[in-house]
This record gives sequence, structure tokens and C-alpha cells, in this order.
Amino acid sequence: SQQGEEDPQALSIQEGENATMNCSYKTSINNLQWYRQNSGRGLVHLILIRSNEREKHSGRLRVTLDTSKKSSSLLITASRAADTASYFCATPHGGSGGSNYKLTFGKGTLLTVNP
Amino acid sequence: DTEVTQTPKHLVMGMTNKKSLKCEQHMGHRAMYWYKQKAKKPPELMFVYSYEKLSINESVPSRFSPECPNSSLLNLHLHALQPEDSALYLCASSQLGGRDTIYFGEGSWLTVV
Repeated sequence: SQQGEEDPQALSIQEGENATMNCSYKTSINNLQWYRQNSGRGLVHLILIRSNEREKHSGRLRVTLDTSKKSSSLLITASRAADTASYFCATPHGGSGGSNYKLTFGKGTLLTVNP
Repeated sequence: DTEVTQTPKHLVMGMTNKKSLKCEQHMGHRAMYWYKQKAKKPPELMFVYSYEKLSINESVPSRFSPECPNSSLLNLHLHALQPEDSALYLCASSQLGGRDTIYFGEGSWLTVV
């Protein structure tokens, strides 16, 4: 089963609005990573937040992590048409010696930003 | 430079063909990965190489054969594939396994006819 689950599965907003995506996971984690994927393209790493961090910022992106609720959120402020993409959360786990090689992705949120 | 380069970008092959996907990184990362992604689905892990040794094989059929010739290169050899193997194949790398940022390439689109 998926380690991470995003909510909502699809989100449509107007340019300039904020977009919030949520991610829930099931087991304890070392970190949680957010990725963006434009249609038919590779994955672009956005932010890595570690289990001892509660909030992290990068430009117009803000990520929060609540380990007690096993959830994370990604906020994109002042959205642009170019932000249209699928957004995935991913959690590393498994592997020998705590290597956490297995990065398991949630189902993703498809964000559409209308001009 | 946080770049993982994959070639070719597109590949069409018949079910009896033998082809290879290639991946290269020059970030000094010691872990490299192959993921498979079907349309409208999240990526799924196939293989992990750590220090040039196969560390994880997620029960992938033997018609997919990974190879790590050196610390910068990762290949995926394809033979006798099925149409359902058509997908986006993503290569990735990281320094410290999943404890560090995992960087992905642009992917290779594979169509099996």
C-alpha cells in the first residue's frame, strides 16, 4: 500500500491564489520529500523536511510536517500558470542498515492554475 | 550541478528487441535508482544500487536487467518486453540513500509494440 497519500487528488485555482496540498503517511519517517512533475517530464525536487523540523520555506513554497499526525502540507503562494503540475510527497524507508533507500510516493495532487 | 541525465528520451522497441536505457550522474552520489511510472500513477521503485552493488530488486521480471558499470553510470537492459511494460522509466541518485535528497532525471519514455 502507498506510504503517502495526497489530498486532494486534483485542485484547480486561479492565478494569484494559494494552493494547499496535504500528505499523510503511515510509518515513522526520517524525512519527507516533495516533488513536482510537469506532464510527461521527470520529477523535480522541491523540499526535503526532516522529522525534527516543523516548517520549511523555499521561495513561494512552504512545507509543514506534523509527525504526531503523520501528515505534511505543501503551500504554494501567489500561484502562477507555470505551477500547473502534479505534486507528490515521498517518504524514504526500508533497506538495510537504515539506508532508507526505498522512496515511496503518494498518489499525487494534480494542480491546475488557470490564467 | 544537480543533474541526472538519461538517454534516450524516447524509445520504441518490438517485443523481440534488445535495447538499453542509460543514466549518468556526476554528483558523486553513491546510490542510484531505477523507477517505473505508468500514466497518472506515482513512480514505483524497481532497483537500487549502492556503491555499485545491487542493493534492492523489487521483484522485477528478469526481462529487465540493471547494470552499474561505475559509480556514475547506471544502465537498464531490456529484452523480450511486453506492451504493458510501456512506461516512463526514471533514473535517480542520492548521496546517503533516502536520508538525503534524491534527484531524478527527465526519464526515458518507452513504448513496446
